[in-house]
Amino acid sequence: NAGVTQTPKFQVLKTGQSMTLQCAQDMNHNSMYWYRQDPGMGLRLIYYSASEGTTDKGEVPNGYNVSRLNKREFSLRLESAAPSQTSVYFCASSEVGTPNTEAFFGQGTRLTVV
Amino acid sequence: GQSLEQPSEVTAVEGAIVQINCTYQTSGFYGLSWYQQHDGGAPTFLSYNALDGLEETGRFSSFLSRSDSYGYLLLQELQMKDSASYFCAVRSRRDDKIIFGKGTRLHILP
Repeated sequence: NAGVTQTPKFQVLKTGQSMTLQCAQDMNHNSMYWYRQDPGMGLRLIYYSASEGTTDKGEVPNGYNVSRLNKREFSLRLESAAPSQTSVYFCASSEVGTPNTEAFFGQGTRLTVV
Repeated sequence: GQSLEQPSEVTAVEGAIVQINCTYQTSGFYGLSWYQQHDGGAPTFLSYNALDGLEETGRFSSFLSRSDSYGYLLLQELQMKDSASYFCAVRSRRDDKIIFGKGTRLHILP
């Protein structure tokens, strides 16, 4: 039972390079989320998707794009990486519309932009 | 907008009890959740309060008062492995966003 799988686990980029962070879940959840985590800032929502085919901005969407490829997969793209995007990125999934708000997280991608 | 406030750090002694508070400025959410995150790891779900009152799960309890916009996580019989960061979170009824507080780092002294 894999849960939420993120790739890659670690990545170093040069300023201006692009990359896509991949996320897949096998729990048949409708909702998926991308967060970034910086020291002292907690988990900040970048983008989320309440269902296949829909995406919405979170608190810090600038510099990112997302694609909800199908129900299982939700990718995050950095078109032109900047040092300010150095962070740990977490993907999460959850069932929509249920009172229990439990979100399941992937193991994170540690991204450094130099 | 939605915001959740937590103390940035709390220190307690092994075997003792500690309470981590969370105050929020938001409405239209399902309830208050708590997550635990160890260094280098991913957040994991601990508890959820849909209604006002106390929910108990082993050594951990969580409380919610919607009228006071306040909740807390209570950890009893502290163990060294409880050293971690703890986050409160709410999920919007309107758009299904899940928003987290900035987290409380719990330090446990032997």
